[in-house]
Amino acid sequence: QLLESGGGLVQPGGSLRLSCAASGFTFSSYAMNWVRQAPGKGLEWVSSISGSGDRTYYADSVKGRFTISRDSSKNTLYVQMNSLRADDTAVYYCVKEGTLAAKPYYFDSWGQGTLVTVSS
Amino acid sequence: DIVMTQSPDSLVVSLGERATINCKSSQSVLYSSNNKNYLAWYQQKPGQPPKLLIYWASIRESGVPDRFSGSGSGTDFTLTISSLQAEDVAVYYCQQYYSTPITFGQGTRLEIK
Repeated sequence: QLLESGGGLVQPGGSLRLSCAASGFTFSSYAMNWVRQAPGKGLEWVSSISGSGDRTYYADSVKGRFTISRDSSKNTLYVQMNSLRADDTAVYYCVKEGTLAAKPYYFDSWGQGTLVTVSS
Repeated sequence: DIVMTQSPDSLVVSLGERATINCKSSQSVLYSSNNKNYLAWYQQKPGQPPKLLIYWASIRESGVPDRFSGSGSGTDFTLTISSLQAEDVAVYYCQQYYSTPITFGQGTRLEIK
């Protein structure tokens, strides 16, 4: 199970940190990901982190503004989002990797998502 | 970046009929060293997160009905629903994981006639 939190309304240029509490699997064994979906739009991969936390990957659209991290002692995934823009408005899904690979492959478990709205 | 293009954008099919969704990648997602296609399919019903249906282009995820099947190789892939059920109304996405950035198709909306 994946349960996101931390979404809400933020002004352009602001910051927000999303969290995802994971349960039901060995958290440290799996890479984890954030995927977002703008209202009425398709899916966009945002970022991934390896199971050990030593490798991270970002979409160009968020590189330098978003930071993904994980705390295996708390079974929790995070994304720190800075310099937020209107086009970051989306539902953000916490997503579990479907293999034991350190990099993102396919995604076999998705949270319900948390809505981030960037607006003045 | 690998661009994924699905066709059609929307599809209307009668109950019990076959539904076919196509996905084309801008470059091959077949990894020659293991002969695997790095391609997955997802189903997203209204108000729900996506659900994994197919991975490695043709492997059905556990619990997915066998009316769903994936085929194709290289740059051209197909998701087939052999006999459409009412609960299959959804948007379907293909996704490549051959390289980062991970990319998705734009989605195909499937409706019942």
